[in-house]
Amino acid sequence: NAGVTQTPKFRVLKTGQSMTLLCAQDMNHEYMYWYRQDPGMGLRLIHYSVGEGTTAKGEVPDGYNVSRLKKQNFLLGLESAAPSQTSVYFCASSYSTSYEQYFGPGTRLTVT
Amino acid sequence: GNSVTQMEGPVTLSEEAFLTINCTYTATGYPSLFWYVQYPGEGLQLLLKATKADDKGSNKGFEATYRKETTSFHLEKGSVQVSDSAVYFCALKFNDKIIFGKGTRLHILP
Repeated sequence: NAGVTQTPKFRVLKTGQSMTLLCAQDMNHEYMYWYRQDPGMGLRLIHYSVGEGTTAKGEVPDGYNVSRLKKQNFLLGLESAAPSQTSVYFCASSYSTSYEQYFGPGTRLTVT
Repeated sequence: GNSVTQMEGPVTLSEEAFLTINCTYTATGYPSLFWYVQYPGEGLQLLLKATKADDKGSNKGFEATYRKETTSFHLEKGSVQVSDSAVYFCALKFNDKIIFGKGTRLHILP
């Protein structure tokens, strides 16, 4: 099992550009999550999904969109990147809310 | 609302020293409590958890006890190793959401 994988690992964008981060899990988990990690801020939930075809807003959803067209994939989109979105992004998945979350290795995004 | 407060780092200790990382929480109900660890360049991994008052979670020599009376879940280890150098996050789960503390960076010197 690969677990949770994220692509790309690193990316540099200019302000206003768009991009999509891909998260994939091979554990047949229902729940998937996108977090951002900033220095001194811990992890903050951006969006999450409780199953294929569903998405919900987390703590800091503004400027991001997500889609869960297939159970194993959870995409995070930035339509018009801003410097405030410079961060490390982590995807996670879990079987249900009663089970632990498994995290991917992260994507380091810099917006100039 | 629900929140987690943990001691700020970095914490620097010598190998074989005793470790305590403090964590307190605020919650409206009865949350589950967790410690996650993040090694350099990696994502978070669950280290241990406790789901009700007085439960003790333990793993890899680390322990934490769910103290409802003091709303605390302090992480302890009797003898740390260089390989324990990482960032440690305290977290609580209530309903569908996990709320993370800001993380404590731990450096262990050989």
